Amino acid sequence: NAGVMQNPRHLVRRRGQEARLRCSPMKGHSHVYWYRQLPEEGLKFMVYLQKENIIDESGMPKERFSAEFPKEGPSILRIQQVVRGDSAAYFCASSPPTREAHTFGSGTRLTVV
Amino acid sequence: EDKVVQSPLSLVVHEGDTVTLNCSYEVTNFRSLLWYKQEKKAPTFLFMLTSSGIEKKSGRLSSILDKKELFSILNITATQTGDSAVYLCAVPSGGSNYKLTFGKGTLLTVNP
Repeated sequence: NAGVMQNPRHLVRRRGQEARLRCSPMKGHSHVYWYRQLPEEGLKFMVYLQKENIIDESGMPKERFSAEFPKEGPSILRIQQVVRGDSAAYFCASSPPTREAHTFGSGTRLTVV
Repeated sequence: EDKVVQSPLSLVVHEGDTVTLNCSYEVTNFRSLLWYKQEKKAPTFLFMLTSSGIEKKSGRLSSILDKKELFSILNITATQTGDSAVYLCAVPSGGSNYKLTFGKGTLLTVNP
């Protein structure tokens, strides 16, 4: 059981570039969540997805951020035209339908230079 | 707005000490409270608590919930250097069972 797999582990982007973060949920999990952890802050909910559906994106910034979880393949968190303030650790979690106890991946540390 | 406050923010102890970490919460339609341990990587699940007064235990770790006073504690007895980590408390918020609101965590350092 490989757990929740995120890649890349570290990502460096220049201001204005695009960042694409990938997440493969645990086997048997159909629900994916993305959280962001800014320095000195707690984990903040961004978005909740099921296959081909965004269920709740109330924590996503209104501009430049998007997420998808296609029928085939990993979930993708996409940040367009990155700015320095986007530098953070982005964690993906997954769960089966009835579980509140998310299983987290190891995160992607995004640095915008 | 739902809120989770953890204390202390950091704690340094010696191996063998017992520590108590605190988590208080304000949330609409409380469902559960979760504890995670975060070392350098993924937060790993420790406990989920739903009922007051029932202690959950796993080895040297235990946790209990008080729904009347809106708090939980995480106890670690006979601490070891491997217990050094950030301990996170979270509650599902907004009436959902999926949108976790996290506290800022308690950084525990256990020195040999």
